[in-house]
Amino acid sequence: KAGVTQTPRYLIKTRGQQVTLSCSPISGHRSVSWYQQTPGQGLQFLFEYFSETQRNKGNFPGRFSGRQFSNSRSEMNVSTLELGDSALYLCASSYDLPHFEQFFGPGTRLTVL
Amino acid sequence: AQSVTQLDSHVSVSEGTPVLLRCNYSSSYSPSLFWYVQHPNKGLQLLLKYTSAATLVKGINGFEAEFKKSETSFHLTKPSAHMSDAAEYFCVVSDVEGAQKLVFGQGTRLTINP
Repeated sequence: KAGVTQTPRYLIKTRGQQVTLSCSPISGHRSVSWYQQTPGQGLQFLFEYFSETQRNKGNFPGRFSGRQFSNSRSEMNVSTLELGDSALYLCASSYDLPHFEQFFGPGTRLTVL
Repeated sequence: AQSVTQLDSHVSVSEGTPVLLRCNYSSSYSPSLFWYVQHPNKGLQLLLKYTSAATLVKGINGFEAEFKKSETSFHLTKPSAHMSDAAEYFCVVSDVEGAQKLVFGQGTRLTINP
C-alpha cells in the first residue's frame, strides 16, 4: 500500500506571496492532519480534516488554511508569507478513531526569502 | 492542555550498548502516548504506541517503552544500539482525549558511536 505523499517536496517563495501544499493520504484513510516543524518551535499541530470538514485546529493565524476533498486528499494554503513561515510542513493520515496512529509523509520544505 | 517533556535533547551511546530516552507527560485524562522517529530528511515513523492496554509496549526495531502512571513517564529503551538507530526521537501525546491532535516533545537526538 502506498504511503502518504506530499507535493512539492521543496518550495522557495518570497515574502508576501502565497503557497499551496498538497497531501495524498494512504488509501482508506479519511483523516488528514498537518504539522509545522521548525528548529525553534519543534513540531506543532496546524489542523485536521475529516470527511471534508475541519475537525481540530491549532494555534496558528488565519493566514494558514486548508481543505479536504471528497477523495480525502488535502491541501493547505499559506497566504501573505512571512520569513517565519519557513519550515518543514508534514502531512499525516489515519483511519478514524480509535485506531488513530498517524502515518506521516516526507514533508514539504518551504523556504521564504 | 496536555504536554510532554523529553528530558534529554541529545543522547550519545556506543554501538551495542543500551539506549534510554526519557519522556515525562502531563495529562488530565488517561492519555494515548507514542514514540516517533525521524531520520535525516525523512518523515516521521511510528515506533510504538500506548493506548491503555499493556503498560509495557513493544515496538519496531527492538524498541520498547513502559507506561508508568505514578511517575507520569513513558521512557523509550532498546537493549543494544545499532548504527542505524541514529536519528531524532519524539515523544508524543494526544492533546484532547480521543482526538486526532498530537502534541510533540522537543525531540532527543540519538548519536551512536562506533
